[in-house]
Amino acid sequence: DIQMTQSPSSVSASVGDRVTITCRASQDINSWLAWYQQKPGKGPKLLIYAASSFQSGVPSRFSGSGSGTDFTLTISSLQPEDFATYYCLQADTFPLTFGGGTKVEIK
Amino acid sequence: QLQLQESGPGLVQPSETLSLTCTVSGGSISSSNYYGGWIRQPPGKGLEWIGSIDYSGGTYFNPSLKSRVSISLDTSKSQFSLKVNSVTAADTAVYYCARFITLVRGVIIKSFDYWGQGTLVTVSS
Repeated sequence: DIQMTQSPSSVSASVGDRVTITCRASQDINSWLAWYQQKPGKGPKLLIYAASSFQSGVPSRFSGSGSGTDFTLTISSLQPEDFATYYCLQADTFPLTFGGGTKVEIK
Repeated sequence: QLQLQESGPGLVQPSETLSLTCTVSGGSISSSNYYGGWIRQPPGKGLEWIGSIDYSGGTYFNPSLKSRVSISLDTSKSQFSLKVNSVTAADTAVYYCARFITLVRGVIIKSFDYWGQGTLVTVSS
């Protein structure tokens, strides 16, 4: 099975800050990585698929990069509505696996 | 707009079977480009993929749950269902159903794009 190591597990940031979250796969997953945002009491929302492609309606301050084993989600200028937990998902092969999550908190 | 809705008991006795159904409306998952999937999230914890089913009924499971889990598809009702046998308190979680899409207009996607709102299932006597 492919293990996804996500870091950091939490980050404190202020509105306007640049935030970077990383996911590392235990083996090559090509570009089959997705990023999700989850707010309390809600289901996850797809932000990025195929490592760097935007889901429709996602603000341009979110961007994804990487391929192979190392991937990054960047929020260029954190907005109040971005405080949430973020997860990566490797979708290269079954069994699908999620990263452990990164909670973005208000500093 | 595609919508998915989970339904089923919110309380299950230990050692019994957890059964949930996902009803899809506003679209279909009956295509070779889609899978139906189940994901769960224990209180205060992260997301765990349980398993997925393709349009022809082929199933794929998390190895850690494979011996206790089954997923079935009823295309006539636009539903897919989850069963987890011999549940314990560790199976207490919010259970989500979601659509996994592989291809859109010739572009490979490979992600869960639509999710249900989730349903909390508590295992307790």
